[in-house]
Amino acid sequence: ETGVTQTPRHLVMGMTNKKSLKCEQHLGHNAMYWYKQSAKKPLELMFVYNFKEQTENNSVPSRFSPECPNSSHLFLHLHTLQPEDSALYLCASSQDSLSAFFGQGTRLTVV
Amino acid sequence: AQKITQTQPGMFVQEKEAVTLDCTYDTSDPSYGLFWYKQPSSGEMIFLIYQGSYDQQNATEGRYSLNFQKARKSANLVISASQLGDSAMYFCAMRESTGGGNKLTFGTGTQLKVEL
Repeated sequence: ETGVTQTPRHLVMGMTNKKSLKCEQHLGHNAMYWYKQSAKKPLELMFVYNFKEQTENNSVPSRFSPECPNSSHLFLHLHTLQPEDSALYLCASSQDSLSAFFGQGTRLTVV
Repeated sequence: AQKITQTQPGMFVQEKEAVTLDCTYDTSDPSYGLFWYKQPSSGEMIFLIYQGSYDQQNATEGRYSLNFQKARKSANLVISASQLGDSAMYFCAMRESTGGGNKLTFGTGTQLKVEL
């Protein structure tokens, strides 16, 4: 079992749909992150959670809603997305400020 | 201003040769960390190597080494004896001590292609 697991791996959704991305880490880390990776752009940090508390919201539109029920699980709830939101969404975890370990990502396409 | 700059969008190297991927950074923090990640076509970001700003020696991990030039603010990744499996996207990233120290800022990446 990999350290950081993301589901689903691929998601196609309409602009009026509601869906959720799930991330689970089995590393005992205390911090979890959501990143967005669009074509030809650097990874963009979206949210940071430390011990289940959100410590960073990088001016992310409200159509993206994170949830961290415990230190091992992180969700990203999606609703009324736009085609420009199509991207690879990467979840990561870390212990304090050490190196972050990433999941394989969810490839999201908004149609 | 960009915090992490990777000026090589694409690089080619022959199998078994060494290759250097460039990375420069910008920070006013005295304490920071520099990371390199590999992203194959599967999408997962794989941690390769880490260099702390106070580390006296350049970091090495197997075939990966980091050429850390603090005065020049550069942290180039050197891959020795390239293998076909090294073909991937490579990202340089920096963690600064301010803001809780949990944010990684990434560069735009370098696409490395290893050829026979």
